Amino acid sequence: QVQLQESGPGLVKPSQTLSLTCSVSTDSMTFGNFYWNWIRQPAGKGLEWIGRIYTTGNTNYNPSLKSRVTISIDVSKKQFSLKLTSVTAADTAVYYCARGDKDDTRPADYWGQGTLVTVSS
Amino acid sequence: QSALTQPASVSGSPGQSITISCSGTSSDVGAFDLVSWYQQRPGTAPKLMIFEDTKRPSGVSNRFSGSKSGNTASLTISGLQAEDEADYYCCSYAGVRTWVFGGGTRLTVL
Repeated sequence: QVQLQESGPGLVKPSQTLSLTCSVSTDSMTFGNFYWNWIRQPAGKGLEWIGRIYTTGNTNYNPSLKSRVTISIDVSKKQFSLKLTSVTAADTAVYYCARGDKDDTRPADYWGQGTLVTVSS
Repeated sequence: QSALTQPASVSGSPGQSITISCSGTSSDVGAFDLVSWYQQRPGTAPKLMIFEDTKRPSGVSNRFSGSKSGNTASLTISGLQAEDEADYYCCSYAGVRTWVFGGGTRLTVL
């Protein structure tokens, strides 16, 4: 079984950097053989794929967010992180972390419960 | 990279079948056999229902089925039940190691 848990500040000021961490409960072999994704959902709206990272550190980002996003990974801690710079109210959303197959068959099968981040002064 | 197009809402009565469409382009839905479908109940994380256009993960009811024709994928739910009421999202591989979601469809069971 795989469990994911997001953590980080629930309130971020405009123009600042949003930082979240996802802690994964699973064995090391499983952690090392999947992609790890960030996905967000503004209130009442649809899902938006932000990006993903493999345990090698290889990353892929949504082109519309690429200039502001950095995803990193700490394999020893089985954690991966999201940084989103220069945030505005439009970045207010529930942020999910999720596991994805490395062969791209299942973009996200296990999900965290999500964490609400509000951008406001 | 634009969001995939889904109807905002669909509805059906218990026991009926409904189909939700997901329209993309020849660069995403039509280019790869990698469309997934997610069910999201209020206040919860999405749940994977279909992957690789037509495959069901273990534990997902066989009342859920996926199909695709050209640039449009579809999710069909047969024998509609009250518990199927939820939001449904399609997701497609969009090439260059990226993914794109649809705008979501709210299913109401009458």
